[in-house]
Parts: sequence; C-alpha cells; structure tokens
Amino acid sequence: NAGVTQTPKFRILKIGQSMTLQCTQDMNHNYMYWYRQDPGMGLKLIYYSVGAGITDKGEVPNGYNVSRSTTEDFPLRLELAAPSQTSVYFCASSHTGPANYGYTFGSGTRLTVV
Amino acid sequence: ELKVEQNPLFLSMQEGKNYTIYCNYSTTSDRLYWYRQDPGKSLESLFVLLSNGAVKQEGRLMASLDTKARLSTLHITAAVHDLSATYFCAVGNTGKLIFGQGTTLQVKP
Repeated sequence: NAGVTQTPKFRILKIGQSMTLQCTQDMNHNYMYWYRQDPGMGLKLIYYSVGAGITDKGEVPNGYNVSRSTTEDFPLRLELAAPSQTSVYFCASSHTGPANYGYTFGSGTRLTVV
Repeated sequence: ELKVEQNPLFLSMQEGKNYTIYCNYSTTSDRLYWYRQDPGKSLESLFVLLSNGAVKQEGRLMASLDTKARLSTLHITAAVHDLSATYFCAVGNTGKLIFGQGTTLQVKP
C-alpha cells in the first residue's frame, strides 16, 4: 500500500517555465488537497477536491491550476513560474474530509524557482 | 475566515521539563488535529480530537480540546531529545484543514 505518492521530489525551474506536480493515492480517498509550506511557516491550502471532476480554491490559489479526472490523481499545474512559488508542496488525501483520521500526506516536492 | 494561531512559535527546553503548546482558532469547529514534522520530512498524524473535552495521550504527549474556548493544548511531559520537531495544529473547516504556523520544539540534553 503506497499511500500518497508525489513526483518529483525535487525540481529547479527557471522563471516563466511551467511544470506539473503529480500526486497519486491508492486508498480510494474521495478528498484530495494541495498545500504549500514556505520555510518556517505553516501549510497553506492551494486547491482541494472532494471527488473526481470537482475542485475548489483554497487560501492561496493564484498561479496554480488543478484537475481531477480520476479518483486517484490530483495534479497541480504551475504556469509561468515565479520566485514566490519556491516552496515545498504537499499533497494529501482523506476518505470523506478530515473526519476521524485527518489526512494522509505525501512526502512532498521541493521546488525552487530561479 | 478561519484563523489558527499557535504559540509559542519556537520553544527551547531542557530534557525532563514540562511545557505546553497552545492552539487558538477563530471560528466554531469540533475537529482539531495535531501533526508532527521532522526536518525535511512530511507530516505525521499525532492526535485527532473530535469533541469538546476530548483528551488523547501518547507517551509523553497529551492533547486536549476546549471547543467553547476555541483552544487546544499539546502538553509535553518530561521532554526527551526525540521529541524535537515542529508541531502543527489544524482545524477542520468544511471538508478541509486549516493549519497553524507550527511550533518548533528543541529539546536540549
């Protein structure tokens, strides 16, 4: 049981480039989330999804896009990367919202924009 | 808008001492979660508190929830070096979690 898998683990982007951060879960969870964590800070919610075909903005959605075509996958797209997007990105999932078990987190993607 | 605030943000303590981390939140919620994060690692779930007065304990850590005061505490008893990490509280809000800033705990021998 792999849980939540994020790829890549590390990436360096140049300003203006685009990339997609991949997130896959094998627990048949309905809810999936993307957070970013800046150095010394807490986690900020970027986007979340309550099921395939349904997505919604979180606290800091600007500069990002998401899609949820399947239950398993929830990719995060960065268009026109900016230095302000340098951060660690965590994907998470839960069965029916945080409920009794909170989230299962992926291992993170460390992104640097130069 | 839900706000979650932790204090202190940094805590340096000696082994064997006791201390408490506080987590305040701004709107009504009956679901509060505590996570631990080691440097460079992901988040590990510690406690899930689902009702007013809930108390959970694991080893030297004990978490409690007072929904009327909108306050949760994480109490550390007789700290050991292995507890050095960053601790986050998070509050459930309409299907998502809003996190506090985190408290970095450093336990010195």
